Formats: sequence, structure tokens, C-alpha cells
Amino acid sequence: DAGVTQSPTHLIKTRGQQVTLRCSPKSGHDTVSWYQQALGQGPQFIFQYYEEEERQRGNFPDRFSGHQFPNYSSELNVNALLLGDSALYLCASSFGTGSSPDTQYFGPGTRLTVL
Amino acid sequence: AQKITQTQPGMFVQEKEAVTLDCTYDTSDQSYGLFWYKQPSSGEMIFLIYQGSYDEQNATEGRYSLNFQKARKSANLVISASQLGDSAMYFCAMREGLTGNQFYFGTGTSLTVIP
Repeated sequence: DAGVTQSPTHLIKTRGQQVTLRCSPKSGHDTVSWYQQALGQGPQFIFQYYEEEERQRGNFPDRFSGHQFPNYSSELNVNALLLGDSALYLCASSFGTGSSPDTQYFGPGTRLTVL
Repeated sequence: AQKITQTQPGMFVQEKEAVTLDCTYDTSDQSYGLFWYKQPSSGEMIFLIYQGSYDEQNATEGRYSLNFQKARKSANLVISASQLGDSAMYFCAMREGLTGNQFYFGTGTSLTVIP
């Protein structure tokens, strides 16, 4: 049973550039959520995708955008990178049709460094 | 106000002893879910245990148990018979409503198991 996978593992970019991170959900899951985890902090919710649409969004600027594909995989795009965007980006998948407890399972993360 | 508060930045426990990691939460919803995750230095968030707000009994999963005190809005994680491999960051999280969407995370507790 394949778990959540993310690519790439590490990424180094410079300020102003754009980046795309990718996530494949756990087998059988149809919902993908993205989180940003700054060093020494807990994860912060960016947004969630279900049925190829953004279902909910956290307190992040429009520079952060996403997409979900028909196979339920997802991309997180960040434009005009800032130094403060340096963080571990975590993808989590769940089965989003309303069945409790709807646990989110996380991937290993992509560590983004902005120079 | 913080949705999840973890007041112990760091904890130490002797191998084979039990340890309690504290978590308090803040919500006005009647339906919610509480989760604990373990994050080793590799970065992946590993799901440990879940407690629903309507569950009358405390959740248990192997060596993990959740001490749920609804009136006090606390959901402490108890790890029994600590092992060296338990050394990691531990995050408490809450989802408002029984299904879907955003998880709120605390700032985490770093647990070190001493041989």
C-alpha cells in the first residue's frame, strides 16, 4: 500500500523565482491538503483540494496556488519567492467524502530553501 | 487565540518509563477531532492516535493512549514503556467538525528518551 509521496525532496531557489512541488496521495485517498512548516513551528494549513477544486484555504497570499489532477495527485505552486517562504512543505492526503475520522496522512515533505 | 497549545517545548524520559505530553485546545464547536502526530528528524509526520469529541472512552493504540478531558479541553498523549526510537517531535492537532478540511497544529514537544 503506497503512502503519500512528494517530489522533489529538496529544492534551492532564489528570491523572485517560481517553484512547483508535487504530491501523490495515499492509495484510495481523493483529498490533498498542503501545509507549510517553518523551522521550529507546527505545520500551517495552506489549502485543500477535493474533486480538482480548492475546497478551503488558509491565511496564505495568492502567490500560493495549487492544482489537483483527475488521478488525485496535486501540485503546489509558489510565485515570486521570498526568503520567508523557506520551509518544509508537507502534503497530506485523506478520504474526503465525509467519513469520520478523516485522518490526514502526511508525506515526507519537500524542503525549500530560498536564497 | 491559539487553537492548540503545547506548553512543553522539550521533555526527557528514561527508557522504559511512561511520559505524558500535554495538549490543550480551544474551539466552540461541539464536534471536533483531536490527533497526535510524531515527526522524526526525517520530517515525515506519522499519525499516532485519534480522539473524537463524542468518544466517551479514551483512545488507545498500542503504547499510545490519549487522556481526553473534555471539560478541561485537554488531550494529553501518554506513551508507555518509552523506547529510544520514540525520540522525536510530537504534534497535537485538531480538526473542527468531524470530517474534512483544515487541521490546526500546536508548536510541538521535543521528546528525548534517555538510555
